[in-house]
Amino acid sequence: DAKTTQPTSMDCAEGRAANLPCNHSTISGNEYVYWYRQIHSQGPQYIIHGLKNNETNEMASLIITEDRKSSTLILPHATLRDTAVYYCIVSATNAGKSTFGDGTTLTVKP
Amino acid sequence: GAVVSQHPSRVICKSGTSVKIECRSLDFQATTMFWYRQFPKQSLMLMATSNEGSKATYEQGVEKDKFLINHASLTLSTLTVTSAHPEDSSFYICSAGRGETQYFGPGTRLLVL
Repeated sequence: DAKTTQPTSMDCAEGRAANLPCNHSTISGNEYVYWYRQIHSQGPQYIIHGLKNNETNEMASLIITEDRKSSTLILPHATLRDTAVYYCIVSATNAGKSTFGDGTTLTVKP
Repeated sequence: GAVVSQHPSRVICKSGTSVKIECRSLDFQATTMFWYRQFPKQSLMLMATSNEGSKATYEQGVEKDKFLINHASLTLSTLTVTSAHPEDSSFYICSAGRGETQYFGPGTRLLVL
């Protein structure tokens, strides 16, 4: 699986958009970009994933650059409950196992 | 989304005893499940791949005789930590794949005294 690079930490004001970047310059053509988050002492929670096109669901939006070497997770209106460690992972579909980096610790402040 | 459960959520045991952790996919079948371990302030580390009806595949450095994995059905995988020692104290998390996505259990916190 390709390696990803994320900033160690980010702050965001409550109610504002949180934009979390991820670099995955060695991504292969069949690898998806997945985003998970982990709130303290819980298992990771699936957020969103995509291959080439931008994706949006009820939780977030995923913007993938045209060359697929980087992506951005957008939480449109961050709340205090969005404070968590966010992991960006690239993995081929159905490969299953995920290689976790250190992720980005997002702190949403009032 | 798909639901994966783990039992127990936390367990305390004495050094030298064995502990079994269950991972269940509640609303879907999973031929493959994964076991991770997470130490404090660290990221998740994959321990092994659990395959229904066959032997598990262990990551480098993970002792297969210490961490016994059984995947007897399409909805249940178990991880048994044998002869547990304090250094095995950790947060154990399982996951199961559905379609293109992995769904994770809530984790089991193991404390070995």
